[in-house]
Amino acid sequence: ELKVEQNPLFLSMQEGKNYTIYCNYSTTSDRLYWYRQDPGKSLESLFVLLSNGAVKQEGRLMASLDTKARLSTLHITAAVHDLSATYFCAVEKNFGNEKLTFGTGTRLTIIP
Amino acid sequence: EPEVTQTPSHQVTQMGQEVILRCVPISNHLYFYWYRQILGQKVEFLVSFYNNEISEKSEIFDDQFSVERPDGSNFTLKIRSTKLEDSAMYFCASSEVATETQYFGPGTRLLVL
Repeated sequence: ELKVEQNPLFLSMQEGKNYTIYCNYSTTSDRLYWYRQDPGKSLESLFVLLSNGAVKQEGRLMASLDTKARLSTLHITAAVHDLSATYFCAVEKNFGNEKLTFGTGTRLTIIP
Repeated sequence: EPEVTQTPSHQVTQMGQEVILRCVPISNHLYFYWYRQILGQKVEFLVSFYNNEISEKSEIFDDQFSVERPDGSNFTLKIRSTKLEDSAMYFCASSEVATETQYFGPGTRLLVL
């Protein structure tokens, strides 16, 4: 059974600082997604990572994938308040398998 | 920008009652999904649907659950006899093909009393 774990579960950081959220998964996988969820809202797609060594950046967020280590990271640079949200990674086990297995989520709070 | 829509946004029901949650996927999408999220927990896959049939379902998706695409636009999740533990946020998602990003709707918050 595919297991997806994130750490930390909770992260409180000051504006302007950098930090990294980690996503580990237990079996080989073909693609990995990062989603953002604001309180009481839906899931917004941030990144899709398709292959080993893939790196994608959007604004202050950068995601990377190491399929050999079964690890993805979401790096936050110079955090600002509006990045406060819960971030989920989700793994698609097999190409075309459709089912996404989500991580536990990281609740990020940016403090002014 | 096209988006997935869901109705109702909130539903309160009594234990044992049937509920139908409705979704309108993005119009050119062919793959449809239901997920749920119990308050404060992670998102869990329920079922995927393609070409008018279930393509995969989780162990959560037991005989009390069913899905249907009654017309060309709606995609529904029915819970026949709700239990307290069915209380959760239910998300519908769709994708153009199986290998593309799944886009999520705003969710229906279901409360079973």
